Amino acid sequence: KNEVEQSPQNLTAQEGEFITINCSYSVGISALHWLQQHPGGGIVSLFMLSSGKKKHGRLIATINIQEKHSSLHITASHPRDSAVYICAVYGSARQLTFGSGTQLTVLP
Amino acid sequence: EAGVTQSPTHLIKTRGQQATLRCSPISGHTSVYWYQQALGLGLQFLLWYDEGEERNRGNFPPRFSGRQFPNYSSELNVNALELEDSALYLCASADLRTDTQYFGPGTRLTVL
Repeated sequence: KNEVEQSPQNLTAQEGEFITINCSYSVGISALHWLQQHPGGGIVSLFMLSSGKKKHGRLIATINIQEKHSSLHITASHPRDSAVYICAVYGSARQLTFGSGTQLTVLP
Repeated sequence: EAGVTQSPTHLIKTRGQQATLRCSPISGHTSVYWYQQALGLGLQFLLWYDEGEERNRGNFPPRFSGRQFPNYSSELNVNALELEDSALYLCASADLRTDTQYFGPGTRLTVL
C-alpha cells in the first residue's frame, strides 16, 4: 500500500463544473503540499497546509489531520486547469512523499 | 524575482556514461532538493542539501550523488548510467522558515 493515495487517477469535467481531488496518507506528517504539473513537466506549488483550509482564487485546499485526508477543490473549472495534480506529504527529515497524481481534463 | 533554474533542459547520454545536472535556487534559499520522475513511476525524492551539506537522501544507489556550492547552487551527478535512469529530474529550492518548495523546469535525461 502506498503511503500517499490519490483519487481519482483520471478526471474529465465540463467547463464550469466543481471538481474535487482527494488525498489520503498513512504516515504522520508535518505538512501537505498540493502541486500542479503541466504538460512538459513544470511543477507549481499550489498550497502547503498543516491544518484547516486555504483558498487561492478558484482553488480551495482542506486537510483533516485526524483522518489523514486532504482535498483539493476547483470551483468554476476552466480548460486551463487541465493538468496533473499531485499531493505530497512532508514526513521526517523534510522528505516529500508523493501521490501518483490525478490527471484532470476540463473540456470547453 | 528569478525562479529556480536548471540546466541543461535536455541531456542525452549512453549507458555507462556520467551525467551532470545543475540547479540554481531562488536567491535567499539555502535548501535544494532533487527529485526523479521516471515514466510511470511518479515523483521520487533523491537528495536534500542545505547549507552545503547533504541532509537526507532517498532510496537510490550511491551512483546518484551531488553537492551544493557556497552560493547554494547544486549539482546532481549520475555515474554509470543505466537505461532506467531516463527520467525528468526536478530540482526545488526552499526557505526553511516556510518549507514551501519552488520547483525548477527540470532536466530531461535520456539514456540510450
